[in-house]
Order: sequence, then C-alpha cells, then structure tokens
Amino acid sequence: KQEVTQIPAALSVPEGENLVLNCSFTDSAIYNLQWFRQDPGKGLTSLLLIQSSQREQTSGRLNASLDKSSGRSTLYIAASQPGDSATYLCAVRYNTDKLIFGTGTRLQVFP
Amino acid sequence: GAVVSQHPSWVICKSGTSVKIECRSLDFQATTMFWYRQFPKQSLMLMATSNEGSKATYEQGVEKDKFLINHASLTLSTLTVTSAHPEDSSFYICSARDYQGAIYNEQFFGPGTRLTVL
Repeated sequence: KQEVTQIPAALSVPEGENLVLNCSFTDSAIYNLQWFRQDPGKGLTSLLLIQSSQREQTSGRLNASLDKSSGRSTLYIAASQPGDSATYLCAVRYNTDKLIFGTGTRLQVFP
Repeated sequence: GAVVSQHPSWVICKSGTSVKIECRSLDFQATTMFWYRQFPKQSLMLMATSNEGSKATYEQGVEKDKFLINHASLTLSTLTVTSAHPEDSSFYICSARDYQGAIYNEQFFGPGTRLTVL
C-alpha cells in the first residue's frame, strides 16, 4: 500500500530558527513529489514540486530535497517567520493522476 | 495563471437537502478535475477523478450515488452532495490539471468549500 507520512505532526518554534520538515513514502517509484502550504480553513498553495529525476528544488527561503532510494523528502525553511505558520503537506504522485497526501505538519512560529 | 475557483466558499444546509459545489478553471482548460475531502485536522483524501465528457471515477468507499460529479466543459466540474447528513460535513477541495498537459502535469487547487450539515 502506498502511504505518505510526515514527521513531526506539529512543531512550535521561535522566530528566526531554521526548520526541517520530513516526508516519507513507502513506494519509491514516484513520478514527482510536491510540497504545499495550507492556512486554516483555506485551500492549498503549492510551494515546490520535485520531479523524480531531481534531487532538490529551491524557492526563496524554502528548499526541498528528494531521496527516492530511501523514500524521503525534506522541506527546509530558513530563518522562519511568524507568517510561515501553517500546515505543510507533502503529496506524492505515482504513474497515475492520483496525489497521495501526507498527514501534514502543523507549524507555529512565534515572535 | 493556473487559477482554480470554487463556489460557494462555505455552505450550511439542513439534513436531507442536496448541495452543489462548483469548481472552475479560470485561465486554462482542464480535461481532468479532482475532488478531495478533508476532515478536521486530517489530510486530503481523493474522492473522485472527473474527466470532461465522461463519467467520473470514484475511489473505493465513496458512494457515487451520493456524490454526483458532472464535468460538462473544460472549465467546470460540479460536485453535488445528495441527501446530505451531518457526517458529510467537511471541507471539499477541487483541483484541475491543465489541458495542454503542462510539462509536469501539475494539479492546481481551488480554495475549498466548507460544508456544514445541520
């Protein structure tokens, strides 16, 4: 069964810290992996998409890495800010249209 | 570009009534749209995949007669929750895939619809 797990489930940190969010998937034959941000009661904002042939993607303070062989991806957030507070979801796509979402990490960054 | 809208953003209805939710791709054509459901503090679960001009494909455990999906054009898909009950209360999110098959076939997500059934 294809499953996606995220650790930690929740994280609370002071402003300015560098963070690492983890995503693991059971089946390594992925097509691509995507990181999303979701604010409470809102839809999804795509942050980064990594193709299976790529090792990492960067956007501003965000960096996502992918290690297919170990079934892992990490989202690195540099110099965290209170505005980064949200739930972060990773989603894996296999060779179909389906996205399988992880359980999410609820992040709170306090001033 | 690649904007997806949903209407309404929230709806409250009485038990037993039907509710229709619209999902539109505003600036691209979407041959495929997806409907997800998200319960509080849980992740998104795919309910069904909707292809323009054909019947939707439902995930295991999703009642097709209860959740009617229509994808009549390349920019609009609708989800109708029939005879809604309190257990159907949830956050419903749609996504759409670009008709041209953008290089990475990325799905673009709508803002979601909060359904509360009394």
